[in-house]
This record gives sequence, C-alpha cells and structure tokens, in this order.
Amino acid sequence: AQKITQTQPGMFVQEKEAVTLDCTYDTSDQSYGLFWYKQPSSGEMIFLIYQGSYDEQNATEGRYSLNFQKARKSANLVISASQLGDSAMYFCAMREGAPGETSGSRLTFGEGTQLTVNP
Amino acid sequence: GAGVSQTPSNKVTEKGKYVELRCDPISGHTALYWYRQSLGQGPEFLIYFQGTGAADDSGLPNDRFFAVRPEGSVSTLKIQRTERGDSAVYLCASSLDGTATYEQYFGPGTRLTVT
Repeated sequence: AQKITQTQPGMFVQEKEAVTLDCTYDTSDQSYGLFWYKQPSSGEMIFLIYQGSYDEQNATEGRYSLNFQKARKSANLVISASQLGDSAMYFCAMREGAPGETSGSRLTFGEGTQLTVNP
Repeated sequence: GAGVSQTPSNKVTEKGKYVELRCDPISGHTALYWYRQSLGQGPEFLIYFQGTGAADDSGLPNDRFFAVRPEGSVSTLKIQRTERGDSAVYLCASSLDGTATYEQYFGPGTRLTVT
C-alpha cells in the first residue's frame, strides 16, 4: 500500500528566504507520480508541482522546485524567496501508475505541513 | 475557464438525515474524484469516476455512501442516515483523464456538519 509521510507539522520561515518541506513516500510500484498541493485557509487545494518517477530532472515551477531523491524515496518541496502569501498548509501526494495508465488514479496524501512566513 | 464548483458550500444536518453534495467538474474533464478531509488531516480518497462509471469506489467507508455521475459531467455524493462521524469537508476534483500524468483540480469543498 502506498503511504506518504510529512514529518514537519509546522514550519516557520522569514520572508524572502528559502524553505524546504519534507516528504517521504512508500510504494512497491516502479511507476508513480508525486504532487504538491497548497491549501490556504480558504480551503481550496491548489496544485503546485508534479514529478514523475521516471523523470530524470527535478521538476521546477517558478519559485517551487521538487528535490526528488528516488533511492531515498523522498520528494521535498523547496520554496525560494518566500512571500507572506505562501503561508498555508502544504500537502504531498502520490498516485501510482505510469504515464498513460488509468490504474491507481487516486491520490494518497500526507498529513500536511503548516507553513508560516514571517515578515 | 471555470474551475470545479461544489454546492452547497456548507451543509448542516441532523443525525440520521439524508444529504446530497454536488460537484460540477471542469468542462471536458472525464475523470472525477471525491475525497473527504477531516480536521487537521490530508484528504482521503472516496471514489473515482471515469466518464459515467465508477472506476474505483474502494474508498467509500460503508454502504451509506453512494455517488453517481449519470451523464459523465456533474456528480452527486449521497450519504444516507448521516452520523456525527461523517462531519468533514468533502472535496471534489477533476482531471483531464484518469491517467497518472495529469494533475487533479480541486473544488472549494462542501463542509458537512452532522449535529
């Protein structure tokens, strides 16, 4: 069974600094995808970044990058130049299956990390 | 274009009553998902539709929960004989299709409170 672990219930960072949010995963599948979502206090889940298990390069999207270490089964999110609007809950999630496959379409989420950006 | 919408945004009901929660996915998205999020936790999968059919309903907690998507667009999650433990935020998401590559876009959720 797939499992996502986020060991940091809360993190604090100063505005304009970088922060790393940890995520480790467990799966027996060779093909899977890793996702990060942001959930502000309004409640909506906002997609941030995706990493496929066969992708050779770490994914980047603007200020977000994913530090993917396959052998260690970790997929940490790095936010550079933090902004006050980055304060939110962050969830790491995984779905099993290779690109093009519909099997294992569900997302399995971790318990989240509450990030607070201080001015 | 319009995102995923869910109605109602809040629902308060008495224990034992029946409720329906509605999800309107992004136009053209064939895959639709329901998740449940309890306070302080990550969302938990309930059911996944590919088109009109439920491709995976293994996350439904018991037979009081049922969902339909009769025309392959709007979906309704139905909960019979509600219990206080059903109180949570119910999130709907849609995806271009059900393949592993595409991200899921979430709606704002319906907060269900069973008194």
